[in-house]
Amino acid sequence: AQSVTQPDIHITVSEGASLELRCNYSYGATPYLFWYVQSPGQGLQLLLKYFSGDTLVQGIKGFEAEFKRSQSSFNLRKPSVHWSDAAEYFCAVGANTNAGKSTFGDGTTLTVKP
Amino acid sequence: DAGVIQSPRHEVTEMGQEVTLRCKPISGHNSLFWYRQTMMRGLELLIYFNNNVPIDDSGMPEDRFSAKMPNASFSTLKIQPSEPRDSAVYFCASRPGGSSYNEQFFGPGTRLTVL
Repeated sequence: AQSVTQPDIHITVSEGASLELRCNYSYGATPYLFWYVQSPGQGLQLLLKYFSGDTLVQGIKGFEAEFKRSQSSFNLRKPSVHWSDAAEYFCAVGANTNAGKSTFGDGTTLTVKP
Repeated sequence: DAGVIQSPRHEVTEMGQEVTLRCKPISGHNSLFWYRQTMMRGLELLIYFNNNVPIDDSGMPEDRFSAKMPNASFSTLKIQPSEPRDSAVYFCASRPGGSSYNEQFFGPGTRLTVL
């Protein structure tokens, strides 16, 4: 069975500082990995995804993530955080089926200090 | 494209009443998912459909919850009778078929309050 762990429940960074959100997954085969963002009062929106190829993937809003098979990790990064990045971030691993069920982590809430 | 549409956006009801949440997926998407989000339990998958057929309803909390997808453009999640512990935000998401690499597209959610 697939699972996702986001070790950090809440992270606070200063505006302009760099950001890294951790994600570890467990999956028996090559994983389909996703990062979603949820702004207050809204649904989840895809930031980026990975299945194969270059292990560093670029997403929207200046985010990137790096897949490390040896560490079973897919950490999300941003070089310089903006106040508008304050939100909840979810990592997800997708099953290799056409129906496409994904298993989501518990989320990390990001607070940005001015 | 209008995205995934959910109605109502907010629902306040009294314990014991029937509640019906509605979802219109993105046209052409093959899979539809219902989630519940609370502070205590986070984001929970309740049920999902593929080509209008329920695939996995193991996340449905109990018999009070039921979901249907009569056609490719409409789904409902019904709670009867509702209880205060059902208060949550309910999300519907849809996803195109053809590849496991396709992501889910989420609606704005329905905030349910059961008094």
